[in-house]
Amino acid sequence: GENVGLHLPTLSVQEGDNSIINCAYSNSASDYFIWYKQESGKGPQFIIDIRSNMDKRQGQRVTVLLNKTVKHLSLQIAATQPGDSAVYFCAENMADYKLSFGAGTTVTVRA
Amino acid sequence: GAVVSQHPSRVICKSGTSVKIECRSLDFQATTMFWYRQFPKQSLMLMATSNEGSKATYEQGVEKDKFLINHASLTLSTLTVTSAHPEDSSFYICSARAPSLSTDTQYFGPGTRLTVL
Repeated sequence: GENVGLHLPTLSVQEGDNSIINCAYSNSASDYFIWYKQESGKGPQFIIDIRSNMDKRQGQRVTVLLNKTVKHLSLQIAATQPGDSAVYFCAENMADYKLSFGAGTTVTVRA
Repeated sequence: GAVVSQHPSRVICKSGTSVKIECRSLDFQATTMFWYRQFPKQSLMLMATSNEGSKATYEQGVEKDKFLINHASLTLSTLTVTSAHPEDSSFYICSARAPSLSTDTQYFGPGTRLTVL
């Protein structure tokens, strides 16, 4: 079936540097995408979302880029901080408001 | 806004017993809630969609008689794991949509860690 997947399972980044997390999706009909952050033992926390009629959206220290041509989604975190260490999931909105989650990328911030 | 709570946060039970997990939307009404299961170092897997006032719809491979879902009000959905076995040990997470906030985003609860001995 169709799924959302991530390119890299882990990312180690120096504190203060920028992070880029990538995600590939396969359902060309998807029109809404979300990035979630999940800390150990906790539920996913909404970070930022984007609709398919946009190619970029910015939040506080985060930017999501959407490339519909190659079905690629990325999350950029500026000036990565220790508190950014977590697993990051992209999710794709499917029919009936269901979400399909990618495998997740573990981000570790080095002090 | 859009806060979702779960209770309990952790539960340990003996094999064969049933466990009920509650999911509440605290500051909004949720006509639709979702239940996920997450095994260690894996992604979230959707189990079922909980609809207020109607039967839940289950994903393929999820036993509806084992995972009973009740969505009795616009702010509460419950998941009951019946006759739990060690293989049911997992992290169970609920989410809720908040259409009143004009968003398609799902907001997640903090999760419930179930351990079946």
